[in-house]
Amino acid sequence: AQSVTQPDIHITVSEGASLELRCNYSYGATPYLFWYVQSPGQGLQLLLKYFSGDTLVQGIKGFEAEFKRSQSSFNLRKPSVHWSDAAEYFCAVGGVDRGSTLGRLYFGRGTQLTVWP
Amino acid sequence: GAVVSQHPSRVICKSGTSVKIECRSLDFQATTMFWYRQFPKQSLMLMATSNEGSKATYEQGVEKDKFLINHASLTLSTLTVTSAHPEDSSFYICSAPRWDGSSYEQYFGPGTRLTVT
Repeated sequence: AQSVTQPDIHITVSEGASLELRCNYSYGATPYLFWYVQSPGQGLQLLLKYFSGDTLVQGIKGFEAEFKRSQSSFNLRKPSVHWSDAAEYFCAVGGVDRGSTLGRLYFGRGTQLTVWP
Repeated sequence: GAVVSQHPSRVICKSGTSVKIECRSLDFQATTMFWYRQFPKQSLMLMATSNEGSKATYEQGVEKDKFLINHASLTLSTLTVTSAHPEDSSFYICSAPRWDGSSYEQYFGPGTRLTVT
């Protein structure tokens, strides 16, 4: 079955500290992986995506993520968090597996990030 | 970048009435669009896949007679919540995938906040 696990519901970090948000996935075919950010009452904004190639992916706002196939993980990192990074972060997986509509994404439950000044 | 719009952004309706939400891809054609529902502090739940020129595909547990989806053109999908009840109050988000040859990105609308009184 296709699924995404974000084990941390809520993370709190101090401004300037490093950040890592965890994501593990289960997918029956070659996975396409995404990280999205959502501010309250807003839609989702793509931070970065992995389809193929270099397993370390750079995104917007200074975020990066590393695809580790052996661990079925796609963790999101940022070396120095800013107060404006406080938001909800969603990991998602999609692809071309049998029975799934192309473009369909499976989302994790999200990680709420709080940033202390 | 590509843009997906939703209208209205907020709607309040009385119990028993119907509400239509529009999702438009503004600068690309979308043969497929997705409709999600999001409860407070929770992840996105896929309700249905909207297919241009054919019937929508509903996820298990989603009432197709209550949530009517029409994908009449390559840039417009509509979700109609029929005979709305307070438990239908939620944040509804649409998305549309766009391929760029080797990968795709899912573009999300800003969401519609539905409140049923």
